[in-house]
Amino acid sequence: GAGVSQSPRYKVAKRGQDVALRCDPISGHVSLFWYQQALGQGPEFLTYFQNEAQLDKSGLPSDRFFAERPEGSVSTLKIQRTQQEDSAVYLCASSHEVSQPQHFGDGTRLSIL
Amino acid sequence: AQSVTQLDSQVPVFEEAPVELRCNYSSSVSVYLFWYVQYPNQGLQLLLKYLSGSTLVKGINGFEAEFNKSQTSFHLRKPSVHISDTAEYFCAVSDTGTASKLTFGTGTRLQVTL
Repeated sequence: GAGVSQSPRYKVAKRGQDVALRCDPISGHVSLFWYQQALGQGPEFLTYFQNEAQLDKSGLPSDRFFAERPEGSVSTLKIQRTQQEDSAVYLCASSHEVSQPQHFGDGTRLSIL
Repeated sequence: AQSVTQLDSQVPVFEEAPVELRCNYSSSVSVYLFWYVQYPNQGLQLLLKYLSGSTLVKGINGFEAEFNKSQTSFHLRKPSVHISDTAEYFCAVSDTGTASKLTFGTGTRLQVTL
């Protein structure tokens, strides 16, 4: 596709459940980023991939958060044993090179009940 | 570490009036600067970027911004706004080195009315 695609757009889960969020970056983009955007706030960095290598995961809030990009294209953000504070919009972005502007998907809105 | 401050959480303005959205940043290293716009239930769309060169940067939809290194500012301006400009605007900074993760401000809600 022409842009970054994220699925699902909306996800509702009960506290304690595991969830998986998918990001399909722009074809050919080597860099992929995940951000978390709480209500009324700016996005906050979670993790970064260059191709299949996860080079920075300093923003992941706990060991319940795990991200992967096994073939250097599609990425999955997994949250285990979800908690209410995980409720947020999760944004994925990709860029052609490290220093180029990032292109964002429309996000996945996660609600934990 | 870097930080971005957007002092105005909301800016109300009448249609066809000029607007300035303020952004100040803090960083110990050289930076790239960005403005993104977010419409309801959508991701972020790049308005403009400063990487190097001329400090006056022109972007899409008639927006422009000026990088002021001495004041560590990157204010966004538009000479005449439209109703369709109503959205959330985010200023962001990244370093010029390795993985260019973005650090965002808290956003400014631009509300354009007739």
